[in-house]
Amino acid sequence: AQSVTQLGSHVSVSEGALVLLRCNYSSSVPPYLFWYVQYPNQGLQLLLKYTSAATLVKGINGFEAEFKKSETSFHLTKPSAHMSDAAEYFCAVRGGAGGTSYGKLTFGQGTILTVHP
Amino acid sequence: DGGITQSPKYLFRKEGQNVTLSCEQNLNHDAMYWYRQDPGQGLRLIYYSQIVNDFQKGDIAEGYSVSREKKESFPLTVTSAQKNPTAFYLCASSSGRINSPLHFGNGTRLTVT
Repeated sequence: AQSVTQLGSHVSVSEGALVLLRCNYSSSVPPYLFWYVQYPNQGLQLLLKYTSAATLVKGINGFEAEFKKSETSFHLTKPSAHMSDAAEYFCAVRGGAGGTSYGKLTFGQGTILTVHP
Repeated sequence: DGGITQSPKYLFRKEGQNVTLSCEQNLNHDAMYWYRQDPGQGLRLIYYSQIVNDFQKGDIAEGYSVSREKKESFPLTVTSAQKNPTAFYLCASSSGRINSPLHFGNGTRLTVT
């Protein structure tokens, strides 16, 4: 079975500071990984996705994430936080071919990012 | 613009009543999904459909039912058997390819009293 763990349900940073949101996954086959952002009372918007083409993935709004197989991690970063980045962020994993979770997208529990002026 | 439309945005029902949430997409996607979101629990998969006239149970299907008679539509019925129906419900779709992301609607907040 596949799973996702997001370390830290709440993260608080100052405007202009580095944003680091942690995600560790468990998958029996090479996974496909995604980060989504959710603003209050809205749906989820895709930030970026890892699909094995490159380990460092750049997404929208200045976010990027690095796939580290040895650490089973896919942490999300942004060099300089902006007030508009305040939202909830979800990491998700989808099992690849050969796994029992083929095609199924599993989400982490989410991390709420607060940005202070 | 292509996208996913969920309606209504807010829905209120009395306990014991069935209620149907609408989800329509014009992205020409084969796969559609229903997730339930509760604070601090992330998103949990209720049902998904990879093709018209076919659907599978997700992790928390009890008390819910779906149909997929048309490619564009994937309505979810919350039945009176669902013990804790109050939640935020999200519909999503994807092309069905393994590396394709899900596209989400803006959700329906259901309150049952």
